Amino acid sequence: GIQVEQSPPDLILQEGANSTLRCNFSDSVNNLQWFHQNPWGQLINLFYIPSGTKQNGRLSATTVATERYSLLYISSSQTTDSGVYFCAVVGNDYKLSFGAGTTVTVRA
Amino acid sequence: DAGITQSPRHKVTETGTPVTLRCHQTENHRYMYWYRQDPGHGLRLIHYSYGVKDTDKGEVSDGYSVSRSKTEDFLLTLESATSSQTSVYFCATRDYNSPLHFGNGTRLTVT
Repeated sequence: GIQVEQSPPDLILQEGANSTLRCNFSDSVNNLQWFHQNPWGQLINLFYIPSGTKQNGRLSATTVATERYSLLYISSSQTTDSGVYFCAVVGNDYKLSFGAGTTVTVRA
Repeated sequence: DAGITQSPRHKVTETGTPVTLRCHQTENHRYMYWYRQDPGHGLRLIHYSYGVKDTDKGEVSDGYSVSRSKTEDFLLTLESATSSQTSVYFCATRDYNSPLHFGNGTRLTVT
């Protein structure tokens, strides 16, 4: 299956700071999504972004499929942004592969 | 989120007993997935389905079986539960070229 690498593994931010999370993948993909797992364990879909750029409030994401990476931007971080951010990709075999996640801690 | 219901939400069972987890969707999605999430391992794919009666193994399928007799239901069975199968299990669904949606998870403890 496709290998997915996320960086950094951990990120500590002061409230109000900006940050960038990265997702690299080893092969061409049909789909790519970013998820946020909140402290209650729910996996929330942030972006469905096989290519291009999307924005949703303080969050935005860019996928450059030809170079096999995606970036998630968090601006003006808030404590509610804490949690684990996962990148997931779908290859040609229908399988969906996840990265190991980036754990974000935002301190007040 | 999408209409995905996992049942039960919590279960405690003894080693050696069979356990079945159910995932029910109301979205008519073609693809369904079972994942387990463990500390230090992220989300790992157990089995997935690409249509009714069409299933395939994921990376951690040993000790698990699945069935999908109709579009809306995807069952995960632990034939003989072991302590190493204590985990949080997530079901997810998607349609072709559409976003993946997760259920709220089932916390399984095998004593």
